[in-house]
Amino acid sequence: QSALTQPASVSGSPGQSITISCTGTSSDIGGYKYVSWYQQHPGKAPKLMIYEVSNRPSGVSNRFSGSKSGNTASLTISGLQAEDESDYYCSAYTSDSTVVFGGGTKLTVL
Amino acid sequence: EVQLLESGGGLVQPGGSLRLSCAASGFTFSNSAINWVRQAPGKGLEWVSGTSGSGASTNYADSVKGRFTISRDNSKNTLYLQMNSLRAEDTAVYYCAKEGTLLWFGNCDSWGQGTLVTVSS
Repeated sequence: QSALTQPASVSGSPGQSITISCTGTSSDIGGYKYVSWYQQHPGKAPKLMIYEVSNRPSGVSNRFSGSKSGNTASLTISGLQAEDESDYYCSAYTSDSTVVFGGGTKLTVL
Repeated sequence: EVQLLESGGGLVQPGGSLRLSCAASGFTFSNSAINWVRQAPGKGLEWVSGTSGSGASTNYADSVKGRFTISRDNSKNTLYLQMNSLRAEDTAVYYCAKEGTLLWFGNCDSWGQGTLVTVSS
C-alpha cells in the first residue's frame, strides 16, 4: 500500500492552467477507473473535485478536469483563480480492495 | 443535506483504546459505503478503513490491521471505529467520509468535520 506520487508543489498565475500529476502502479491507477481528486483548504475537510478519473460532482467548476494515461492520473485546473490555492490529493482504489492517497500537492496562485 | 458528525476523539495513552462514532443524516445510510480517513498533523490524507453499505464487507490499511475494527449500525445511522493498541503514530484527525455506492472505491462525496485523536503519555 505505497502512497501515490504527487509533486509537492505547483504554482501558476491567475488565468493560467496547471496540471498536477499522480503516479501509481498497474495495481491501482492503471488497473481501475476509480481515481479521485480532492481539494483541502487549511483546517477544513477535503472536498471531492473529480471522481472516476474525469467526472465532476455537481457544483464543481468545469475549470477542473481529470484524465488518466497508464499508471498516471492528472488534474488540470484552467483559468486559475486565487480561490484555487489549496492542497490537492489524488486517491485510487487498489487490487487489495483498499484505497491509497497521494502525498498531496500544494498549489500556489502567484 | 448530507451531514456526518464524528465524535469520540481525545487524548489517550499509548497502548490504550478509543471508539470513534460518526452520526449520519440526510441520505439513505445503508446504501452508502463509508470510510475512515485520517490526517496526522501537518501531513497528508491516509485511508484507514472502509465498510460496505450492509457492513458485511470491511477492509483496513496495513498500518491498522489487527488493531482497529470498523462497524456500523444501520438502524442508528451510525458508523464506528474501535481503536485498540494505540500508538503515537495514530495521532491524527479522523474523518468519516461517505461514498455514493454500496462498496468503497475512494469516491468520497461527503466528509465530516473530523475528530482529533492524540496518543501520548
